[in-house]
Amino acid sequence: SQQGEEDPQALSIQEGENATMNCSYKTSINNLQWYRQNSGRGLVHLILIRSNEREKHSGRLRVTLDTSKKSSSLLITASRAADTASYFCATVPTRTGGFKTIFGAGTRLFVKA
Amino acid sequence: NAGVTQTPKFQVLKTGQSMTLQCAQDMNHEYMSWYRQDPGMGLRLIHYSVGAGITDQGEVPNGYNVSRSTTEDFPLRLLSAAPSQTSVYFCASAPDILTTEAFFGQGTRLTVV
Repeated sequence: SQQGEEDPQALSIQEGENATMNCSYKTSINNLQWYRQNSGRGLVHLILIRSNEREKHSGRLRVTLDTSKKSSSLLITASRAADTASYFCATVPTRTGGFKTIFGAGTRLFVKA
Repeated sequence: NAGVTQTPKFQVLKTGQSMTLQCAQDMNHEYMSWYRQDPGMGLRLIHYSVGAGITDQGEVPNGYNVSRSTTEDFPLRLLSAAPSQTSVYFCASAPDILTTEAFFGQGTRLTVV
């Protein structure tokens, strides 16, 4: 089974609204990453948060990490139509020696103009 | 900058045929990996490599072989294609997996008939 599980599976919002996506994982991790995938394209890295960090910001993105709950959230503020994409969390578990990056099933975000 | 280059972009195989998906990176990254992505799902790790001459299995390795003779190249071989291997395949590379993001190729869409 996959390490990361995103919630919700799909999200539809109006342009200008905030979008929040959540990720839960099962084992202890070295780091957690968020990626974006536009339809039919490769994945683009958004942000990496280490296991000893609680929050990171990058432009309109805010990521939090709660290792006690084994969960992370990605907040996109003031969303734009161009943010329409699938968003994936990925974890590097410590138990495997830290050499495997495991992806969740993703959240499909649709931002209506 | 070329980044991660995958070839071919599209491929149709008959059941039982073999083929090699090519992946090359020009960033001198030690870590490379192969994923498959099925409709509505996240990426599942097939094989990965932490450096030339070193490979290991991921979550779904059966039916695939890899080798890493150089830092730049990480080909994925399908030994005897099956319809269950119809998928989009992504190659990724990273300087290391514990502290940095991964860079993805644009994918190879494979159909096995």
